[in-house]
Amino acid sequence: EAGVAQSPRYKIIEKRQSVAFWCNPISGHATLYWYQQILGQGPKLLIQFQNNGVVDDSQLPKDRFSAERLKGVDSTLKIQPAKLEDSAVYLCASSWGDGQPQHFGDGTRLSIL
Amino acid sequence: QKEVEQNSGPLSVPEGAIASLNCTYSDRVSQSFFWYRQYSGKSPELIMSIYSNGDKEDGRFTAQLNKASQYVSLLIRDSQPSDSATYLCAVIQGAQKLVFGQGTRLTINP
Repeated sequence: EAGVAQSPRYKIIEKRQSVAFWCNPISGHATLYWYQQILGQGPKLLIQFQNNGVVDDSQLPKDRFSAERLKGVDSTLKIQPAKLEDSAVYLCASSWGDGQPQHFGDGTRLSIL
Repeated sequence: QKEVEQNSGPLSVPEGAIASLNCTYSDRVSQSFFWYRQYSGKSPELIMSIYSNGDKEDGRFTAQLNKASQYVSLLIRDSQPSDSATYLCAVIQGAQKLVFGQGTRLTINP
């Protein structure tokens, strides 16, 4: 079974620029999550999708972050404009459904200069 | 109070000994509990899930859950250097949201 695919693996941008991350979940997984993991901390949920609908985006900084999951499969997360504090690893995870074990992709390490 | 609390460590254990990792959580109605292992520079990997009180064993790993005390632990028997990693406790809390602790860094010394 192929795992969760994410790209790019690394991204370096200057503050105020924009960036986008892509995620392809495990085939058949209805639920998709985006997390932000700052160095030395556990992952923090940014947004959760059930198929192509948003279940929880309470911790997503909506003034600069956006995410979509068209057709209920792939998802993109965008940051515009980026701030220095956005430097982190952005992890995508998927699961069969709510409350089920989540499986993570390799993440995108974002550095803001 | 943090929703999920772990001692950040580092926890240092000699090879072959038992490593004990602890986690407490604040939401009394939580029903699902997970342990993830995260190697440096890698993504979290699910190693154990537990849903009911008591012990659950899988190879060298044992997860223990005590809902009355709001406490979940992970024991690693016969610790190996390859077990050196950060271990993340995660709890499903209200509205099915998975909340992670900050992780405990474990080092197994040969």
